[in-house]
Amino acid sequence: DSGVTQTPKHLITATGQRVTLRCSPRSGDLSVYWYQQSLDQGLQFLIQYYNGEERAKGNILERFSAQQFPDLHSELNLSSLELGDSALYFCASSVGGRGDAYEQYFGPGTRLTVT
Amino acid sequence: TQLLEQSPQFLSIQEGENLTVYCNSSSVFSSLQWYRQEPGEGPVLLVTVVTGGEVKKLKRLTFQFGDARKDSSLHITAAQPGDTGLYLCAGASDEKLVFGKGTKLTVNP
Repeated sequence: DSGVTQTPKHLITATGQRVTLRCSPRSGDLSVYWYQQSLDQGLQFLIQYYNGEERAKGNILERFSAQQFPDLHSELNLSSLELGDSALYFCASSVGGRGDAYEQYFGPGTRLTVT
Repeated sequence: TQLLEQSPQFLSIQEGENLTVYCNSSSVFSSLQWYRQEPGEGPVLLVTVVTGGEVKKLKRLTFQFGDARKDSSLHITAAQPGDTGLYLCAGASDEKLVFGKGTKLTVNP
């Protein structure tokens, strides 16, 4: 158990809909990272928040957005969903702000299926 | 975009065999990490290598970072069924991690 929690574990929704994925970091960690994992693209970095502020951006679509709240939990919002958005979405956390300098602890993921 | 190519993509071996998986790039990375991911779970960090030519051992696993810091290998000695999983390498670049697509290892009893 990494200490990072994600809800829900599974999510099935239809094209065009909007969903929210939730992540609670490990106690004491200030950074939250979101990743998307699909069979063809592998694990892709989406976005990072550090202590409530956006810190780094990766391959995140404009239909996707995220935020980190004062209690440090984070939400990833996915809208106008397409079939190709079906994937595993992972949240990770670390104590520091540099994504390459601190160990990232991954949650168990949310499996999103868009039908 | 920096890419990390992992090979082989799939590997199925018998218990007790040795194996090596590779992680290659045309880009230089300041450090490289190896993760193992089991079905239904997130990746778990195994090791970080920082210096070109560095070799790190973790029980039966040996990790090597290439001299030019563009590639890395993971060697497993006497593989066991518990080693089954997806092995991911990740390079550090611009304060972010770039992941390869992974090698899916199956160790049969």
